[in-house]
Amino acid sequence: RKEVEQDPGPFNVPEGATVAFNCTYSNSASQSFFWYRQDCRKEPKLLMSVYSSGNEDGRFTAQLNRASQYISLLIRDSKLSDSATYLCVANGMDSSYKLIFGSGTRLLVRP
Amino acid sequence: EPEVTQTPSHQVTQMGQEVILRCVPISNHLYFYWYRQILGQKVEFLVSFYNNEISEKSEIFDDQFSVERPDGSNFTLKIRSTKLEDSAMYFCATTPGLAVPGEQYFGPGTRLTVT
Repeated sequence: RKEVEQDPGPFNVPEGATVAFNCTYSNSASQSFFWYRQDCRKEPKLLMSVYSSGNEDGRFTAQLNRASQYISLLIRDSKLSDSATYLCVANGMDSSYKLIFGSGTRLLVRP
Repeated sequence: EPEVTQTPSHQVTQMGQEVILRCVPISNHLYFYWYRQILGQKVEFLVSFYNNEISEKSEIFDDQFSVERPDGSNFTLKIRSTKLEDSAMYFCATTPGLAVPGEQYFGPGTRLTVT
């Protein structure tokens, strides 16, 4: 079983739409979770951390459900510039705190 | 804003040759990582480095790979004898500490092509 699983998409939505991505993780001991964004052939960039209480940053809302081992990202009022691959990421439970990446969900926002 | 830099941006090499990929971490960061991403696949952890030694390495990081921080600034990944399957983007990442360990800052990557 993959450690972090995501629907690869692509999600093709019009500008202004609301879109939600989901992710599941297999290691119940994982402590920290994140959403990174990756543009084509570029490096991953941290979008936001994910907390059990839920957190919001502008148009982006992330949620963690530890009981279900489920993470979500909601994007409201999609912009063309939101087109990218969204990576669900967990911290490895060891001294190095390596990142464990999902395969990513591709989002295409059309005019 | 401080950023992680990597050189070269693209390296083409023949199978069996040695390559060295270089990274300059953000100056006050203490933890360093190498990740790789084969085209069309997910980002994979290779190795983590702290206090001048490897703290963890993955199964991918076999005897052909090595890392060092030779001069206190550069952080290098060496592949001793490249294989075709080493072709990938290699990302260096750094973090200042473990307060928020997942907030890693990635360099722009080196695209390695092995022919």
